[in-house]
Amino acid sequence: AQSVTQLGSHVSVSEGALVLLRCNYSSSVPPYLFWYVQYPNQGLQLLLKYTSAATLVKGINDFEAEFKKSETSFHLTKPSAHMSDAAEYFCAVSYTGTASKLTFGTGTRLQVTL
Amino acid sequence: GAVVSQHPSRVICKSGTSVKIECRSLDFQATTMFWYRQFPKQSLMLMATSNEGSKATYEQGVEKDKFLINHASLTLSTLTVTSAHPEDSSFYICSASTPISGTDTQYFGPGTRLTVL
Repeated sequence: AQSVTQLGSHVSVSEGALVLLRCNYSSSVPPYLFWYVQYPNQGLQLLLKYTSAATLVKGINDFEAEFKKSETSFHLTKPSAHMSDAAEYFCAVSYTGTASKLTFGTGTRLQVTL
Repeated sequence: GAVVSQHPSRVICKSGTSVKIECRSLDFQATTMFWYRQFPKQSLMLMATSNEGSKATYEQGVEKDKFLINHASLTLSTLTVTSAHPEDSSFYICSASTPISGTDTQYFGPGTRLTVL
């Protein structure tokens, strides 16, 4: 069984500040890990994914995440928040090489203030 | 690339009617499509997985006779909510995946908001 825990349902940062969204996973097999962003009333957009290659993964819009097996974590970071980053962020886990089910975390709403 | 569309984006229907939602992969062939529902301020819950030409696999607790899924081609899957009731009101999102993407990345559609009166 696999699961994802996102710590903090709401995170608020000032524009220009560091963004840190936390994600811990549980999986009995090596996982594939994903971060998705959802803007209001829209579908999900892939930010980045970890697929057992480099542990530091760079994504779109200057987001990156580091896979830490010892901590079973895949936290999402961005050096400098922008107002347009305000959205809902979902961490997800899957496994195997074929199209398999994604298990999503409960999401973290990021608020960016002036 | 990897664009997925959904139609309609919003639909309002009366209780007891059926509603069909289309999910299309525009620039790739999707061997597998997934259907999710999302309640307000909640995460996505997988409803079913469909492979082209095969019957859909439903998650536990999802009524397959109520949520009919057809994946007739490599670019189109449809979800029909039969005899819709107000509790079926939700945001329905599809995603598509293809082995060509390598690591089974799912590409999501923009979602369909269903409101049942």
